Amino acid sequence: AQSVTQLDSQVPVFEEAPVELRCNYSSSVSVYLFWYVQYPNQGLQLLLKYLSGSTLVESINGFEAEFNKSQTSFHLRKPSVHISDTAEYFCAVSGVGAGKSTFGDGTTLTVKP
Amino acid sequence: GAGVSQSPRYKVAKRGQDVALRCDPISGHVSLFWYQQALGQGPEFLTYFQNEAQLDKSGLPSDRFFAERPEGSVSTLKIQRTQQEDSAVYLCASSSRDRRANVLTFGAGSRLTVL
Repeated sequence: AQSVTQLDSQVPVFEEAPVELRCNYSSSVSVYLFWYVQYPNQGLQLLLKYLSGSTLVESINGFEAEFNKSQTSFHLRKPSVHISDTAEYFCAVSGVGAGKSTFGDGTTLTVKP
Repeated sequence: GAGVSQSPRYKVAKRGQDVALRCDPISGHVSLFWYQQALGQGPEFLTYFQNEAQLDKSGLPSDRFFAERPEGSVSTLKIQRTQQEDSAVYLCASSSRDRRANVLTFGAGSRLTVL
């Protein structure tokens, strides 16, 4: 079984500041890791994923996350946020070869002008 | 279709009523998942289909919950004798396979309110 802990339920930041949303997971098997994002009044959508290979993965809108196996973490970072990044962010883990993904409880990122 | 379609978007039921929630996945997506999302929480897994086969139903909270996907495409989640604790957003996702991972594409959800 897998579990996910998102360490911050709310993260308020000012525009153009850097941000880190923290995610830790536990699993007894090898994992795939995901970040999904839910913008206001929209459905959940994939932001980025780690499946294999390079431990640093990037999204098209400037977010990146690094898989750290020793610390069982997959923190999400962006060097400079925009108002439009305001959303709820969910970290998820899936065991390799398993069907389901297990989600954290989400982090609400609020970017203020 | 272009995305995952769920209906109804909103459903209000009186306690004890039966409800049915429909999911139309992306064409060609073999796998289909149902999740339940309570207010302020992340999605909780309910059940998973690969084509018409229900491979995992470990997350269904009680025998009042039943899901089917008879022809391997459209799926229906049925909740019998609804209770107030069933109030939540029910999310359907279909997935494409990337290596051995299920990468989920979610629908907009069906918000169920039980009075």
